Amino acid sequence: KNQVEQSPQSLIILEGKNCTLQCNYTVSPFSNLRWYKQDTGRGPVSLTIMTFSENTKSNGRYTATLDADTKQSSLHITASQLSDSASYICVVSEQTGANNLFFGTGTRLTVIP
Amino acid sequence: DVKVTQSSRYLVKRTGEKVFLECVQDMDHENMFWYRQDPGLGLRLIYFSYDVKMKEKGDIPEGYSVSREKKERFSLILESASTNQTSMYLCASSHRGDTGELFFGEGSRLTVL
Repeated sequence: KNQVEQSPQSLIILEGKNCTLQCNYTVSPFSNLRWYKQDTGRGPVSLTIMTFSENTKSNGRYTATLDADTKQSSLHITASQLSDSASYICVVSEQTGANNLFFGTGTRLTVIP
Repeated sequence: DVKVTQSSRYLVKRTGEKVFLECVQDMDHENMFWYRQDPGLGLRLIYFSYDVKMKEKGDIPEGYSVSREKKERFSLILESASTNQTSMYLCASSHRGDTGELFFGEGSRLTVL
């Protein structure tokens, strides 16, 4: 069964600290993995998309890694800011079509001053 | 700036009412999606459209219908709203092809009393 699991469910960190969010998946055949940021009450916004051949991708202070062998991805946030407080959603695409996306339930990050 | 616009951010309806949620994208995307998002469940696909007048059921189509008469517009219809349809509804669009990045609208929070 195709699944995407994220950990932790929630996380509280101090402003300026780093953190790492995890995503494990069983989706096969794999096409790509995406990380989205969703502010409270808003729609998700794409941070990164990685295909099978990419093992790291950065977007400013956000760095995503992908290990396609172990089917694991992480999102590392450096020097966190209050505006990083949001839910972070991992989405894995199956090769069979555009509508075959599998969503994790997200990690709720709270950055406190 | 690319955009997916949902017609209503907040709606309150009564049980049995007909509800229309409209979504418009300005990116000439072939694919459009309707998701609902509930705490702890993540995003679940209601319906997907890959072209004008074409639609496919997602994971939870019961109680919903859709309409795509023009490429840029995708409507979600609740024929007779029920309390268990209280949720956040998210519209998204993407180019054809399974690596196409998803662009989301801001969401419509529907409360059914």
